[in-house]
Amino acid sequence: DTGVSQDPRHKITKRGQNVTFRCDPISEHNRLYWYRQTLGQGPEFLTYFQNEAQLEKSRLLSDRFSAERPKGSFSTLEIQRTEQGDSAMYLCASSLVQGVDSPLHFGNGTRLTVT
Amino acid sequence: DQQVKQNSPSLSVQEGRISILNCDYTNSMFDYFLWYKKYPAEGPTFLISISSIKDKNEDGRFTVFLNKSAKHLSLHIVPSQPGDSAVYFCAASGAGANSKLTFGKGITLSVRP
Repeated sequence: DTGVSQDPRHKITKRGQNVTFRCDPISEHNRLYWYRQTLGQGPEFLTYFQNEAQLEKSRLLSDRFSAERPKGSFSTLEIQRTEQGDSAMYLCASSLVQGVDSPLHFGNGTRLTVT
Repeated sequence: DQQVKQNSPSLSVQEGRISILNCDYTNSMFDYFLWYKKYPAEGPTFLISISSIKDKNEDGRFTVFLNKSAKHLSLHIVPSQPGDSAVYFCAASGAGANSKLTFGKGITLSVRP
């Protein structure tokens, strides 16, 4: 169990630029989640996949955000035309649906700073 | 609309004493509750959970209590250790431990040596 891996750990970008983050879940996990955390807040749900299907998207996920999980393994989260309000920690988590008490395992996140 | 509320932003306790972290929720559809612990520069780490069919779950020094009628849960840490100093998030799900979680804002626990 190598854990959930996220890349990059930090990203600084200028307003208006596009950014893409990658998440590699725990290998046998079939669900993958994206969350966003801002200062002083708990993680907020953005979207999740079961295998390659995107099953739910939060209303927080504007049209500028898109997530993919093309082969049911790793996932990418892209933010187009970044805004300063996008500055946050983006967390990925994975879980195994078959386990009743299998909680979400989180990666260490990608910290995005939009200048 | 905060469905999971952690109203105390911080707590400081002496090493060896009990730490009690509280959490309230408003959504009666929540049926599974979890506590996560977070150190700086790391992602949240699962600590302990409880199903709505139980009122207590214990794992070593950590015990979670659930009062469904009051929509309240608490995490007890006994005895508290300096290594327990971290941010603790309460989270809730409407479909088991491995589904979408709704988190509270977190509480920063400081355990003084």
